[in-house]
Amino acid sequence: DTGVSQDPRHKITKRGQNVTFRCDPISEHNRLYWYRQTLGQGPEFLTYFQNEAQLEKSRLLSDRFSAERPKGSFSTLEIQRTEQGDSAMYLCASSLVGRNPTNNEQFFGPGTRLTVL
Amino acid sequence: AQSVTQLDSQVPVFEEAPVELRCNYSSSVSVYLFWYVQYPNQGLQLLLKYLSGSTLVKGINGFEAEFNKSQTSFHLRKPSVHISDTAEYFCAVSEAPEYGNKLVFGAGTILRVKS
Repeated sequence: DTGVSQDPRHKITKRGQNVTFRCDPISEHNRLYWYRQTLGQGPEFLTYFQNEAQLEKSRLLSDRFSAERPKGSFSTLEIQRTEQGDSAMYLCASSLVGRNPTNNEQFFGPGTRLTVL
Repeated sequence: AQSVTQLDSQVPVFEEAPVELRCNYSSSVSVYLFWYVQYPNQGLQLLLKYLSGSTLVKGINGFEAEFNKSQTSFHLRKPSVHISDTAEYFCAVSEAPEYGNKLVFGAGTILRVKS
């Protein structure tokens, strides 16, 4: 078990470009979450998947954002036509959710830091 | 809607002194409560969690927290801090898994341990 991994760790892009981030959760974790963290703030929820189904999206997730988890394993988060306000740390987390509430812990990846110039 | 308020943005403390990081929450339903720690340029690591049962919860690295339902608080404490405890600490709340289980975080408290 290598934990949650994210790629890339850092991304610098110019305003208007598209970017895609990848998250590999802990194997067999059925839930995957995306959060965004801006400087000086706590992480904010963006969206989550139960297996391959995207079950909830925050109002923070504008039309320029899209997330997928095609086979219920890894996930991608794409931002189209990036804006300077998209600069943030994008965190991925996974959990194994079942009947036992002690399995509710979310394990976080190291994050992808996006800088939009 | 749920919300979390961390009452101190920064807490300076000398090494080996006790520390308390304050957290208050609001929610209309039963909640689960968490404390996470974040070291620079890293993800979040779970320190401890309250799901049910005893209101005093012990976590890793000597930290503990007490759930107080009447005061809607979940303050984090450590009797003696170390330089390596310098980090940012986040309090978070979530609903039960069947409601999504997404975490709502406070703005964070930076703990600075001085020698």
